[in-house]
Amino acid sequence: DAGITQSPRYKITETGRQVTLMCHQTWSHSYMFWYRQDLGHGLRLIYYSAAADITDKGEVPDGYVVSRSKTENFPLTLESATRSQTSVYFCASSQGQGYGYTFGSGTRLTVV
Amino acid sequence: TQLLEQSPQFLSIQEGENLTVYCNSSSVFSSLQWYRQEPGEGPVLLVTVVTGGEVKKLKRLTFQFGDARKDSSLHITAAQPGDTGLYLCAGEYGNKLVFGAGTILRVKS
Repeated sequence: DAGITQSPRYKITETGRQVTLMCHQTWSHSYMFWYRQDLGHGLRLIYYSAAADITDKGEVPDGYVVSRSKTENFPLTLESATRSQTSVYFCASSQGQGYGYTFGSGTRLTVV
Repeated sequence: TQLLEQSPQFLSIQEGENLTVYCNSSSVFSSLQWYRQEPGEGPVLLVTVVTGGEVKKLKRLTFQFGDARKDSSLHITAAQPGDTGLYLCAGEYGNKLVFGAGTILRVKS
C-alpha cells in the first residue's frame, strides 16, 4: 500500500538497550523527518533528511542516531535507551518546502 | 529558536457554536500549516498558507495567514462533533516545521 509506514506500533524496552524504529515511505519524497510527541512539549524535531545520505540534527537529537541509505527508509536508533526517551515517535515525509508533511501512525515507545 | 504559541490549549463547546484558534510567533515563516490529529494516529495536513494575508476555506474551516507571516488563525463555523480532535499549527522554515503545542477541541452534541 502507498503511504508511510512505521514499525513497530508499540515497543517496550529496558534502560540501556539499543532499539531501532523503522520508517518506510512509498512516494519517493526527498525529505523525511523524525519527531517525538510528549505532553507539555508538543512535537519536537529529532532528526531530518533532505535526501539519501544527507541527514541533520533537529531540536532534540541527543541519544539518537539516524541513517538514510535509501530514499524510502529512514530508521531511528536509540543507542542506549533512557526513561526520558519514553514517548510517541512520528516519522513524516515531504516533497519539499510548502508541500506539507505526511505522517506515519507513530510508534509508542516505553523505556522501563 | 522559532517558537509558536497556540491558544487556547483546550476548548469545549456545544454543537453549532463557532470558534477560533490562534497561532502566534515573533518569527517569520515561509508557510504556516494546520494539522488535525486524532488519538492513536499521526497529524493529518488540513491546509498550507504561504502568502501574507492569505485566506483559505475548507468547508466550515477558514484559515488566515497574518500579513507579516508571523501568525495564523483557524476559524470553525457551526462546529460538529466530528470536528473533535487536536489541532496543531506549524511554521515552516528551511524545509523544517516547528509545531505549536496544540489545541484540544471537544464538540458536544
